[in-house]
Amino acid sequence: EAQVTQNPRYLITVTGKKLTVTCSQNMNHEYMSWYRQDPGLGLRQIYYSMNVEVTDKGDVPEGYKVSRKEKRNFPLILESPSPNQTSLYFCASRATPGTGRYEQYFGPGTRLTVT
Amino acid sequence: QQQVKQSPQSLIVQKGGISIINCAYENTAFDYFPWYQQFPGKGPALLIAIRPDVSEKKEGRFTISFNKSAKQFSLHIMDSQPGDSATYFCAAGITSGGYQKVTFGIGTKLQVIP
Repeated sequence: EAQVTQNPRYLITVTGKKLTVTCSQNMNHEYMSWYRQDPGLGLRQIYYSMNVEVTDKGDVPEGYKVSRKEKRNFPLILESPSPNQTSLYFCASRATPGTGRYEQYFGPGTRLTVT
Repeated sequence: QQQVKQSPQSLIVQKGGISIINCAYENTAFDYFPWYQQFPGKGPALLIAIRPDVSEKKEGRFTISFNKSAKQFSLHIMDSQPGDSATYFCAAGITSGGYQKVTFGIGTKLQVIP
């Protein structure tokens, strides 16, 4: 089954304690992204990756890091989480441009609470 | 600054009625307009999408109407059903340098009551 998986699904942590949210896709997609969803703000892109070892900032990258060492994995790293990073996070992947398919496939989400 | 403005933020519709969600954009470089549907506890999933050279696209009970001159597009859900209750996001995409950047609206929470 084609899917994007994220772990953990729920996470409660304290300010300053480094954490990593994993994301993996089995569709051989080149493009992957991280979004955060907040009430009244919709989905905002944090970082994206066009391919292995190629990453770039989205609209709200402050306080986050990413890496893309393998095509299927795109972890999101919070080096020193703060309460304003409490949010619902989604990983997404997309087929290669030129295929005519622009649909993004989203993971199930990770609800993060930073106290 | 919100590049894609979506309204209303919440909507209650009677079963069998028509649900209408509106979006507006400013950047004329947008070349792709998808709508995503999100059920509670799930990630968004593509519902329907349109390109600016088409004024309307219909898939089943879902229709996108696109007005290029007004820079507006809307989602119409005909014969709305309780199973349509979800959050709907409009979005607009720009293709640049081989990558498509997608900007989402704030979402509309739709509730269809029996």
